[in-house]
Amino acid sequence: SYDLTQPPSLSVSPGQTASITCSGDKLGDAYVCWYQQKPGQSPVLVIYQNTRRPSGIPERFSASNSGNTATLTISGTQAIDEADYYCQAWDSNSDVVFGGGTKLTVL
Amino acid sequence: EVQLVQSGAEMRKPGESLKISCKGSGYSFTSYWIAWVRQMPGKGLEWLGIIYPNDSDRKYSPSFQGQVTISVDKSINTAYLQWNSLKAADTAMYFCARLGAVTSRSSLEINFFDRWGQGSQVTVSA
Repeated sequence: SYDLTQPPSLSVSPGQTASITCSGDKLGDAYVCWYQQKPGQSPVLVIYQNTRRPSGIPERFSASNSGNTATLTISGTQAIDEADYYCQAWDSNSDVVFGGGTKLTVL
Repeated sequence: EVQLVQSGAEMRKPGESLKISCKGSGYSFTSYWIAWVRQMPGKGLEWLGIIYPNDSDRKYSPSFQGQVTISVDKSINTAYLQWNSLKAADTAMYFCARLGAVTSRSSLEINFFDRWGQGSQVTVSA
């Protein structure tokens, strides 16, 4: 099976840049999405097809994908960005794979 | 407005059956795949499978094949997730989600979950 690996946690100070990584074999050959999930809420799509931002998602959210690593970048991180973040891709069998999630703390 | 509205919380005993639902509105329900995703308490997201409402074409995660059944009634814009014999380990929040791109089964790799239901809590306990 295909695995996506994320760091379990990341802490940043308000106003700083948060970079959350997602690693997988030849991940750069796939389309990666990112979801934000706050406690008690449903996930929200923040990035799709590697770099595209849905309407309503702030410009401070951006992403890249190359080689074996995809990265979600939050510039000027705000307290409201504190959440769990999940990367997601499709494997060669057209099965969905989620990363284990990264808990972003803003303090 | 695109919405996915799920059925409410359920409590069952081990061995019992259950069917939860996800009703779509505000878009052409038959044109977009619907997925089911599990989240166990304090854990991450796990994909169970997808279904294409127009023809009920479906695909299951290898981890959940045979454990659950995904179905759809396109006449009422509703997708379902069903268990025949629940276990305590099935206790989790279950989300439905819409795949946001209109794609064939052969092009799923470009797709993404653009709308999510509010979740249905399933608790299995003796």
